[in-house]
Amino acid sequence: SQELEQSPQSLIVQEGKNLTINCTSSKTLYGLYWYKQKYGEGLIFLMMLQKGGEEKSHEKITAKLDEKKQQSSLHITASQPSHAGIYLCGADMVKIIFGKGTRLHILP
Amino acid sequence: EPEVTQTPSHQVTQMGQEVILRCVPISNHLYFYWYRQILGQKVEFLVSFYNNEISEKSEIFDDQFSVERPDGSNFTLKIRSTKLEDSAMYFCASRDRGPSPWEEQFFGPGTRLTVL
Repeated sequence: SQELEQSPQSLIVQEGKNLTINCTSSKTLYGLYWYKQKYGEGLIFLMMLQKGGEEKSHEKITAKLDEKKQQSSLHITASQPSHAGIYLCGADMVKIIFGKGTRLHILP
Repeated sequence: EPEVTQTPSHQVTQMGQEVILRCVPISNHLYFYWYRQILGQKVEFLVSFYNNEISEKSEIFDDQFSVERPDGSNFTLKIRSTKLEDSAMYFCASRDRGPSPWEEQFFGPGTRLTVL
């Protein structure tokens, strides 16, 4: 079965710094989602990637899917307190298989 | 902007009681899902529903669980006899069409179920 591993599990970053979160799949990805979750709340859709080598950006967040479609990265530029939360990657297999998430803290 | 809604936002129940969690998916969507997230753990798929029947279910979705789309707008998850380990956040999701091409799955805000 498909497994997604996210790294790091937790990240503490000074406000204004850049950061990268990684998501590695045990199998080829047909679609890869990135969601953000604030503690105890719902899932906020960030981006969906489908093609090998694809890259998408929204405001200061950029996500890439590698050519082999087994790895994705999420990069935040000039982080802000509003970026704090849990970032989840999800493999789209009609249902979504989620990783365990990366907990991001931003220090002011 | 259309959104998935869920009620109630928080449900507290006694062990052994039946609960029904309600969802209103986005109106023109065809695929419906329930996921759950036990506190501190990852979001897990429970069941998918298409064309008025279950299309896939996980091992978690045993005989105590059922889903229904009673009136063309609501999508419900029923737990017949709740257990302590059913305490979790339950998310409903919907999507417009199937895997080709892939479409975003829209998630509701969740219902926090607490079983005492």
